Amino acid sequence: SQQGEEDPQALSIQEGENATMNCSYKTSINNLQWYRQNSGRGLVHLILIRSNEREKHSGRLRVTLDTSKKSSSLLITASRAADTASYFCATDSYDAGNMLTFGGGTRLMVKP
Amino acid sequence: EPEVTQTPSHQVTQMGQEVILRCVPISNHLYFYWYRQILGQKVEFLVSFYNNEISEKSEIFDDQFSVERPDGSNFTLKIRSTKLEDSAMYFCASRVTGYTGELFFGEGSRLTVL
Repeated sequence: SQQGEEDPQALSIQEGENATMNCSYKTSINNLQWYRQNSGRGLVHLILIRSNEREKHSGRLRVTLDTSKKSSSLLITASRAADTASYFCATDSYDAGNMLTFGGGTRLMVKP
Repeated sequence: EPEVTQTPSHQVTQMGQEVILRCVPISNHLYFYWYRQILGQKVEFLVSFYNNEISEKSEIFDDQFSVERPDGSNFTLKIRSTKLEDSAMYFCASRVTGYTGELFFGEGSRLTVL
């Protein structure tokens, strides 16, 4: 079983619509992070939410965390074609050592 | 803005050959990582490195793999005898502290084993 599994695996929307991606994890965490990856490129950090936080905003991004359900969601509002990328959640956990554990990612396509 | 740099960007090698992938982490970072991503799949942890030694490694990181920090700036991943299934994108990353905080990734080294 994997820590950090995203749902859906792929999402296609029109420009201007909102995109919601979900992430589930299995162990207790210190924090949960979201990263973006353009095709063939490195991962770029978007936002970090600590285990004692429930919601966080950054620009058009809104992240929620429900530790009782071991789940998080990433909402991108008013999407743009430039938001087309893969989005990964990742968790820090003392149980896992000092590494960040990534999920399988959601491939988002925003059509102009 | 400081960044993690990786070389080469793409390497093609024959099965059984040794490969060294190089990384220059951000200078004030203390924790260094290698991750692997097979085309279109998830990002898999290989190894973390702190205070000049391996602190965590995954089951993927077997005896064919090694890491070292030969000087104050470079961080290398060596694959001793490459296999076809080693073909992947290899990402180096670093961060200031372990257990928390943003990971900064390089652009990756694409390894193709023929």
